[in-house]
Amino acid sequence: GESVGLHLPTLSVQEGDNSIINCAYSNSASDYFIWYKQESGKGPQFIIDIRSNMDKRQGQRVTVLLNKTVKHLSLQIAATQPGDSAVYFCAVLQKNQGGKLIFGQGTELSVKP
Amino acid sequence: EAGVVQSPRYKIIEKKQPVAFWCNPISGHNTLYWYRQNLGQGPELLIRYENEEAVDDSQLPKDRFSAERLKGVDSTLKIQPAELGDSAVYLCASSLTRGIDTQYFGPGTRLTVL
Repeated sequence: GESVGLHLPTLSVQEGDNSIINCAYSNSASDYFIWYKQESGKGPQFIIDIRSNMDKRQGQRVTVLLNKTVKHLSLQIAATQPGDSAVYFCAVLQKNQGGKLIFGQGTELSVKP
Repeated sequence: EAGVVQSPRYKIIEKKQPVAFWCNPISGHNTLYWYRQNLGQGPELLIRYENEEAVDDSQLPKDRFSAERLKGVDSTLKIQPAELGDSAVYLCASSLTRGIDTQYFGPGTRLTVL
């Protein structure tokens, strides 16, 4: 099976600073990794994904890094803004499991003005 | 493009009562998922549909939970009878196909069982 864990349940950063949220997974057969953002009262919103044949992928203000050797991925948010305050989940999928996502427990990011 | 639609958004019921949740996926998405999210936790998959066929329902408590996806579009998740421990947010998601395709989530239904 697969288990997914986040290193910190909460993270507080100053507006304008960079944020880093870390996630660990257990199954080396995992081949697709996704970060979701969930605001209060809403469903998870897709942020960025990365496949196992890559080690870095960049989006707008966000970067995901994947280290398959230690089974770790991270989400970096540049110039964190108050609107980034939310709970962030990493999710892991194994292609041979037909799309079953295994979610971690989430890190709550708070941005101080 | 409209996202995943769910209703109701909130539901409060007494234990042992039945309850149903409805989901309309993104148009053209063949795969539909129901997740349960307990407070402070990540979502956990209950059931996955490929068109109208349930292809993974291993996590669905079949003694009280049932689901259907008639005509391969809308889906309904039912609980009968509800128990206190069923209080959670029930999320519906859809994707174009199974496997490595982005899953898009609806806003969820927050169920409170008293």
